[in-house]
Amino acid sequence: AQRVTQPEKLLSVFKGAPVELKCNYSYSGSPELFWYVQYSRQRLQLLLRHISRESIKGFTADLNKGETSFHLKKPFAQEEDSAMYYCALRMNSGYSTLTFGKGTMLLVSP
Amino acid sequence: DAGVTQSPTHLIKTRGQQVTLRCSPKSGHDTVSWYQQALGQGPQFIFQYYEEEERQRGNFPDRFSGHQFPNYSSELNVNALLLGDSALYLCASSLAANTIYFGEGSWLTVV
Repeated sequence: AQRVTQPEKLLSVFKGAPVELKCNYSYSGSPELFWYVQYSRQRLQLLLRHISRESIKGFTADLNKGETSFHLKKPFAQEEDSAMYYCALRMNSGYSTLTFGKGTMLLVSP
Repeated sequence: DAGVTQSPTHLIKTRGQQVTLRCSPKSGHDTVSWYQQALGQGPQFIFQYYEEEERQRGNFPDRFSGHQFPNYSSELNVNALLLGDSALYLCASSLAANTIYFGEGSWLTVV
């Protein structure tokens, strides 16, 4: 069965510091990986997906199939980045269902 | 476009009761999924509806059931509520396997 692991429950950094939120997955097929973000009192929203290879709000993530990882990175954290971040996997089955990790809370202090 | 809308936003039920949660998908979306998010956990997939049929189901007991209507809206029903059913219930919609959008969720507290 597929599984997504986010080893850190909380990541606390200072404004301007680099950020890396870790995500590892296990799935025997070829998955699609996503990062979702949930700001305080807001709905879960898509941040980025690996197939688009784009940068959103300064965040990037590269799928490393050898290490089965999809870490989220940002070179300079901003206070408005403080939120809950979830890594999610979608199997290459044609169904649009997601398997989520437990999430990492990112706190950016001034 | 209002996006995915869910109702009610909050509700409190007693153990053993039944609850119905409702979801209207984003305009143009034909696929609706439900997720349970317990405190401190990531969302867990309950089931997915497409063309008014349950297409896929996660590891949830039969107490959890659902329905999709011809207008693609959906309901989640939970019978014989347990304290452990207290959670945020999220509805998500998509068009086929494209981007998945989430609603704000329904907070269910079972006392």
